[in-house]
Amino acid sequence: LAKTTQPISMDSYEGQEVNITCSHNNIATNDYITWYQQFPSQGPRFIIQGYKTKVTNEVASLFIPADRKSSTLSLPRVSLSDTAVYYCLVGPYTGRRALTFGSGTRLQVQP
Amino acid sequence: EAQVTQNPRYLITVTGKKLTVTCSQNMNHEYMSWYRQDPGLGLRQIYYSMNVEVTDKGDVPEGYKVSRKEKRNFPLILESPSPNQTSLYFCASSALAGGKRSSYNEQFFGPGTRLTVL
Repeated sequence: LAKTTQPISMDSYEGQEVNITCSHNNIATNDYITWYQQFPSQGPRFIIQGYKTKVTNEVASLFIPADRKSSTLSLPRVSLSDTAVYYCLVGPYTGRRALTFGSGTRLQVQP
Repeated sequence: EAQVTQNPRYLITVTGKKLTVTCSQNMNHEYMSWYRQDPGLGLRQIYYSMNVEVTDKGDVPEGYKVSRKEKRNFPLILESPSPNQTSLYFCASSALAGGKRSSYNEQFFGPGTRLTVL
């Protein structure tokens, strides 16, 4: 199983861009990279998913280098409401396999 | 409204008393899963199901059972709960690859069940 490693915590200020990197050295060929956001006492919420290069949606961007051994979630101009835990998940697009979340990165945004 | 529901939301019980946490989704998703979340350990998968009557162990299945008799329901059963199963539990569902709405990894999570075993 592809294990993921993320920083335990990060601090930022409102209006700044935040980049959270996830390391997944053993990623398999058919694995996708997915990021979730979790607020206290709530279930995680899907943010973005990608396989290679760059993916962008209305909330974030995901950068994946050619070797796919890491990925970076980029949050543009964060606000206080972006304070949450962010999880990187590596898992297959199809097939029967357990999915493993990392321990997550706790992002604290300050005014 | 598309959602995953769990019941109960909070439960305090005693060691050895069998309990079931229900999970239901109204999105016709094939994939369903249970996770537990403990401080410092993130989310760990307990069991998952690819479809009706198909279940598989996740990373931490010991002490748990599941069943998938209907597509919308995926109950989590603790036959003999112990204090080390005190945790926050989440159920999730997802369409499988090729589905109209989402890929396999885009899971929709329920609100969580906080279980305390004394």
